[in-house]
Amino acid sequence: DAKTTQPPSMDCAEGRAANLPCNHSTISGNEYVYWYRQIHSQGPQYIIHGLKNNETNEMASLIITEDRKSSTLILPHATLRDTAVYYCIVRVGDGGSQGNLIFGKGTKLSVKP
Amino acid sequence: DAGVIQSPRHEVTEMGQEVTLRCKPISGHDYLFWYRQTMMRGLELLIYFNNNVPIDDSGMPEDRFSAKMPNASFSTLKIQPSEPRDSAVYFCASRWGGHNEKLFFGSGTQLSVL
Repeated sequence: DAKTTQPPSMDCAEGRAANLPCNHSTISGNEYVYWYRQIHSQGPQYIIHGLKNNETNEMASLIITEDRKSSTLILPHATLRDTAVYYCIVRVGDGGSQGNLIFGKGTKLSVKP
Repeated sequence: DAGVIQSPRHEVTEMGQEVTLRCKPISGHDYLFWYRQTMMRGLELLIYFNNNVPIDDSGMPEDRFSAKMPNASFSTLKIQPSEPRDSAVYFCASRWGGHNEKLFFGSGTQLSVL
């Protein structure tokens, strides 16, 4: 699997956009970028995923560079409830055994009032 | 659906005792995963099942750990004998086997081995 690199921690002001970067310079053509987050004392929660096009859903937007070597997760209006550890994971997208997710250290996002 | 259900929520036991963690996946999901989370090592995949069959147990730390899935709606992770270094949060997760399906996690079991 392609390795990902994320900053260990970031701060964001409440109401502002939170931009979480992820480097995945060795990503393969068939590998997707997934984002999960883990709020304290809870299990991880799916946020969004993408292959090469930018994606948006009700939680966030995912911007993937044209060369696919990096991506950015955007929380457009961060709230205190968005304080969590955010994991960027790269993996093939098929539904079989190769579709397992391996979590790294992630980025601890602190949203401050 | 109530989501992935794990029990107990907290478990405190003494070294040497047997510990059994339980998981009920989301109905219809055919993949089930057991993860362990510690401060030092983060989230580690221990084992996963497909259609109740163990597929990859390479993450199981040693023979003291065993996992079973007797049917599609129930799985157990057993530690016998338990040791203080097994103290961690154990998560169960499930998903459907289709393309890019989301992984759904339970609330975890906080295990403390004294």
